[in-house]
Amino acid sequence: GDSVTQMEGPVTLSEEAFLTINCTYTATGYPSLFWYVQYPGEGLQLLLKATKADDKGSNKGFEATYRKETTSFHLEKGSVQVSDSAVYFCALSNINDMRFGAGTRLTVKP
Amino acid sequence: DTAVSQTPKYLVTQMGNDKSIKCEQNLGHDTMYWYKQDSKKFLKIMFSYNNKELIINETVPNRFSPKSPDKAHLNLHINSLELGDSAVYFCASSRGEGELFFGEGSRLTVL
Repeated sequence: GDSVTQMEGPVTLSEEAFLTINCTYTATGYPSLFWYVQYPGEGLQLLLKATKADDKGSNKGFEATYRKETTSFHLEKGSVQVSDSAVYFCALSNINDMRFGAGTRLTVKP
Repeated sequence: DTAVSQTPKYLVTQMGNDKSIKCEQNLGHDTMYWYKQDSKKFLKIMFSYNNKELIINETVPNRFSPKSPDKAHLNLHINSLELGDSAVYFCASSRGEGELFFGEGSRLTVL
């Protein structure tokens, strides 16, 4: 079945550092890909998405590109802030089924 | 107005009890989900309903029974609660193959 694998955390960075969280997927057909973020004590919320190959999703300085050839959707941000500290989930959607990666906890220190 | 609301937010109960968590969405979405998040933040899909019909039923003990009285509601009933059921349960909705909108979660603690 469809699945998502993302790099294990936790990840700890200093403010203004560069962030990469790797995500790869296995799926039949042409899924849509997502990154969700979960702040402490809250539900998940959409960060960005891409619906077809070579699409780039971006939001709040984060971006990820849908790479069909490498089945990847890595999340990047050029300069992280303390307020970016959260758990990040990579996900894919395929016909009413949304599958999530294991989540990566990011802590940004001042 | 909260788009996806679930109640209760916190639930503490004894082993062996039966409990329910309710979920309602006012987004007009056709598809609703229940996810379980464990203490390591791993998120596992449990059920998915589309227009009140069950479309995904993962390997979940049959003590868990979802009920969808209409497409805006998806409730989760749990019989004979066990210690391992302690987790945060998230309800979500979507139009189908798109963004999920999550509720704030219901933290269940079984003593």
